[in-house]
Amino acid sequence: TQLLEQSPQFLSIQEGENLTVYCNSSSVFSSLQWYRQEPGEGPVLLVTVVTGGEVKKLKRLTFQFGDARKDSSLHITAAQPGDTGLYLCAAVNTDKLIFGTGTRLQVFP
Amino acid sequence: NAGVMQNPRHLVRRRGQEARLRCSPMKGHSHVYWYRQLPEEGLKFMVYLQKENIIDESGMPKERFSAEFPKEGPSILRIQQVVRGDSAAYFCASSPTLQGALNNEKLFFGSGTQLSVL
Repeated sequence: TQLLEQSPQFLSIQEGENLTVYCNSSSVFSSLQWYRQEPGEGPVLLVTVVTGGEVKKLKRLTFQFGDARKDSSLHITAAQPGDTGLYLCAAVNTDKLIFGTGTRLQVFP
Repeated sequence: NAGVMQNPRHLVRRRGQEARLRCSPMKGHSHVYWYRQLPEEGLKFMVYLQKENIIDESGMPKERFSAEFPKEGPSILRIQQVVRGDSAAYFCASSPTLQGALNNEKLFFGSGTQLSVL
């Protein structure tokens, strides 16, 4: 059973376009994290959202935690080739961090 | 301040051989997590260890896989009698406290070991 479902699974866009990635669950979480992973490397934390309805901005990236703390979204404005990578949401389940299914983003110049 | 160190970066084994993957956590971190990642997929939790203790091994296959984190030295993920399906990237992460990410502290990940079984 996959607790965290991400959509879309793959996304290919042109530089300058906007995009949104979703992370959904039927479970309630106390917090949720977003990571980006580049080929051959481990995931790197981008942000942690804690409060239902919370919105956090990181330059062109906007993260939102759903009011019910069951889902989250990542919106990228004016995507650039440097945004290319695997985006993973993650949440704590009992004593461990579990990851979503991932969204593979490719931004073409 | 060195990050999480994993070695080897790439490991090639033939079916039936043993694979040993090493992870040295960040200095001062006493909690280690192992994850497995198949191509184009997210990370799947395998095991959570504290020094000399296995805290949660609910993600570990029942056979052939074992993990340890001794008092001295790196954490070891051991896979006996490897099969082609074991081919994957194996990532280690560390945290300084028992709660780790529970208190919104981030996990620090290594660069992974890519295991290829021929």
